Amino acid sequence: DSGVTQTPKHLITATGQRVTLRCSPRSGDLSVYWYQQSLDQGLQFLIQYYNGEERAKGNILERFSAQQFPDLHSELNLSSLELGDSALYFCASSVAGGEGETQYFGPGTRLLVL
Amino acid sequence: GENVEQHPSTLSVQEGDSAVIKCTYSDSASNYFPWYKQELGKGPQLIIDIRSNVGEKKDQRIAVTLNKTAKHFSLHITETQPEDSAVYFCASRGGSYIPTFGRGTSLIVHP
Repeated sequence: DSGVTQTPKHLITATGQRVTLRCSPRSGDLSVYWYQQSLDQGLQFLIQYYNGEERAKGNILERFSAQQFPDLHSELNLSSLELGDSALYFCASSVAGGEGETQYFGPGTRLLVL
Repeated sequence: GENVEQHPSTLSVQEGDSAVIKCTYSDSASNYFPWYKQELGKGPQLIIDIRSNVGEKKDQRIAVTLNKTAKHFSLHITETQPEDSAVYFCASRGGSYIPTFGRGTSLIVHP
């Protein structure tokens, strides 16, 4: 158990809908990362937050957004969902988000868009 | 940006054999190289990591080697067991805060 929690575990929805994925980092970790894992694209970095502020952005679509709240939990919002958005979404956390820091991954949310 | 190549994509071994997974990276500024194990239905879990000022690191049956000149690093698992069966990911992290992951190696250990 990494100490990172994610809800929900599974999510089934329809195209065009909007969903929110939630992540709670390990106790004491200030930085949160979101990743998308699909069969054809592997593990892709989406976005990083540190203590409530966006720190780095990766291959995140404009239809996707995220935020980190004062209690350090984070939410990833996916809107106007398409079939291709079906994937595993992982959250990871680290102490301060600096270079060389270990990231601890949560169990993931499996999203299926029908 | 950084590019990480990982080979092989699938590795099948007999219990007790050794397994080696290799990764190459492109960014000479990369200085941190973690390895993750992902079991079915779970998130990636860090199993070992190495930093650029070290050439080799061991933890029981697992070892990682780094060749900065050639820009490659490898994961070595000795005396493999069925519970080692999983997908293994290498990653490289350097100039940015964000690691770049390899595409993964599916390791199958046959009893």
